[in-house]
Amino acid sequence: EVQLVESGGGLVRPGGSLRLSCTASGFTFSSYTMNWVRQAPGKGLEWVSYISGSGNTIYSADSVKGRFTISRDNAKNSLYLQMNSLRDEDTAVYYCVREGAFYYRAFDIWGQGTLVSVSS
Amino acid sequence: QSVLTQPPSASATPGQRVTISCSGSNSNVGSNYVYWYQQLPGTAPKLLIYRNDQRPSGVTDRFSASKSGTSASLAISGLRSEDEADYYCASWDDGPSGRWVFGGGTKLTVL
Repeated sequence: EVQLVESGGGLVRPGGSLRLSCTASGFTFSSYTMNWVRQAPGKGLEWVSYISGSGNTIYSADSVKGRFTISRDNAKNSLYLQMNSLRDEDTAVYYCVREGAFYYRAFDIWGQGTLVSVSS
Repeated sequence: QSVLTQPPSASATPGQRVTISCSGSNSNVGSNYVYWYQQLPGTAPKLLIYRNDQRPSGVTDRFSASKSGTSASLAISGLRSEDEADYYCASWDDGPSGRWVFGGGTKLTVL
């Protein structure tokens, strides 16, 4: 079964750091571009960051540039999001998302999400 | 403020047809494919439409979509109670640095 499972969310103080992980299974992880998408409580979807299958190409939203770093370890079928200098407005459910090739770049597989709460 | 513009809400009665619009610009909708996602309450989003108007396997043909210029729309016909959800459009944006952009989402209520 094709699956993405996030972990690492939790409560953190403003200015703190957190590292999210996403473990993939059921497909050849290294062949796929991956993204992080977040959703603040009661709000819409916001794209966070993109990483190509090789890890050579990375894009990030302006709202997280310089604070969040996306990375991957293809040997471990894992995607990461290192989040530093966290702010209240980073509070959200963070989804690990596969950018599918068959459906021409659609976000075809989503994890269940992990909640990050930034609060003092 | 989302880069793509959607109406915040839509409603219709069972059996009716409803459409949801998505407006962007030349750097996103106007030059790239549009995707639609459905998010049922308390769940992760699910792919509904890819490449402007294509349905993934398993998605009912009651869902259809189109794109013209810098605007796109999603139509749901034969509305059912289980269609009550949030719907999001998305597109790649060819701005200064590549990015994915979403609409703000449309909450569909089945009356």
